[in-house]
Order: sequence, then structure tokens, then C-alpha cells
Amino acid sequence: GQSLEQPSEVTAVEGAIVQINCTYQTSGFYGLSWYQQHDGGAPTFLSYNALDGLEETGRFSSFLSRSDSYGYLLLQELQMKDSASYFCASNSGGYQKVTFGTGTKLQVIP
Amino acid sequence: DTAVSQTPKYLVTQMGNDKSIKCEQNLGHDTMYWYKQDSKKFLKIMFSYNNKELIINETVPNRFSPKSPDKAHLNLHINSLELGDSAVYFCASSQADRAGNTEAFFGQGTRLTVV
Repeated sequence: GQSLEQPSEVTAVEGAIVQINCTYQTSGFYGLSWYQQHDGGAPTFLSYNALDGLEETGRFSSFLSRSDSYGYLLLQELQMKDSASYFCASNSGGYQKVTFGTGTKLQVIP
Repeated sequence: DTAVSQTPKYLVTQMGNDKSIKCEQNLGHDTMYWYKQDSKKFLKIMFSYNNKELIINETVPNRFSPKSPDKAHLNLHINSLELGDSAVYFCASSQADRAGNTEAFFGQGTRLTVV
């Protein structure tokens, strides 16, 4: 089966840095994605890691370690609008299966 | 132009009824999905279609029947609705690149409430 575990909630201060972890057990694993979902909205894609290491996209960075079945999303210079739920997702099954993690609700406080 | 559109956005219905949710994507993607998001925000994959063919069926009750008339459309029909079916249903589409990146584009969601 597939499982991706994340902390349920994280609180951080505006302007700070926060890391959201994801550990996974996925057969036929291709890579790890991250999605953001605001309350009442749809998930939107943030990043994808196919290889080990850090991928940077503006204030957001994502890391993958295949040997540890672990990844994280790093958000820098936090803004109030970053308050949302964040999901890691594994790509597997011949690319045709995107399985989402348990989700982390991030609250940014002033 | 909306990339992935699903209708209706809200659906309130009584137990035992049959209802359908429609989804269309104009991205030219080969793969479409249905996800269910419950009150705890878990996003669970239900079905995946690739070029109109069912690829993944994640032990969903057979009261749920997806139909894909062409690769741009994936509809979801639900028979004999139960209280536990209340959730937000998301349609999504994707097209994998060579690195295996299957960025999924989501519709706005359909909030189904069974009373």
C-alpha cells in the first residue's frame, strides 16, 4: 500500500522559516510532490522532487532523500497568506497515481 | 479559461438519491482522477483514468461509478447516497513528464452534503 505521514499542525511566526516533514512508504515510487490548499479552495501544485536533494522555487524549497523515504517542504520569509494546508504526494504506479499525505495545517501568526 | 471545471459546486441531497458530478479539462491531459476529501482534510484517491480507460479503482463502493466518454471528461455517478458520502469531491487531471512529475491540476471541488 501507500502511506505518507505528515505532522497534523504547525504554527510559525510571520517572517520566520518553517519545515514540514513527510515520511513515505510507497511501492513503485517515482518522486515526491508538494501541494498547497487554502480553506475552501483546491490543492495547487508547489514543487516536485525526482532526485535526492533540494529544489528551490522562490521562498519555497523542497527536499527529498530516497534512501530515508523522507522529504520536506521549507517555507522561508513566512507571510500570513502562507496559512494553509500542505500536502506531500507520491507519484507512483507508472506516473498515473498521485497519492496524498495526511496533510499539515500551517498557521502563520503575527 | 478554467483548466479543470467540475459541476455542481454544491450539492445537497437526501439519503438514497442518485446524483452525478461532471468534470471537464481543457489541458489536453491523458489522465484524470477523482479524489474524496473528508472533514479531516484527508485527500483520498478514488479513481484514475488514462485515455478513457480505468487505471485505478481504490476499493470504492460500487455505488460509485465513473464514466469517461472521452479523455477530456470524467464524470462521477453515485447511487443510493449515504450520510458517509458527505465530503468534497475533487476532479483532477495530469500529464506526466519524463522525470515522472505528474503535476495534478484540480477542479474547484464539489461539496456534497447528504441529509
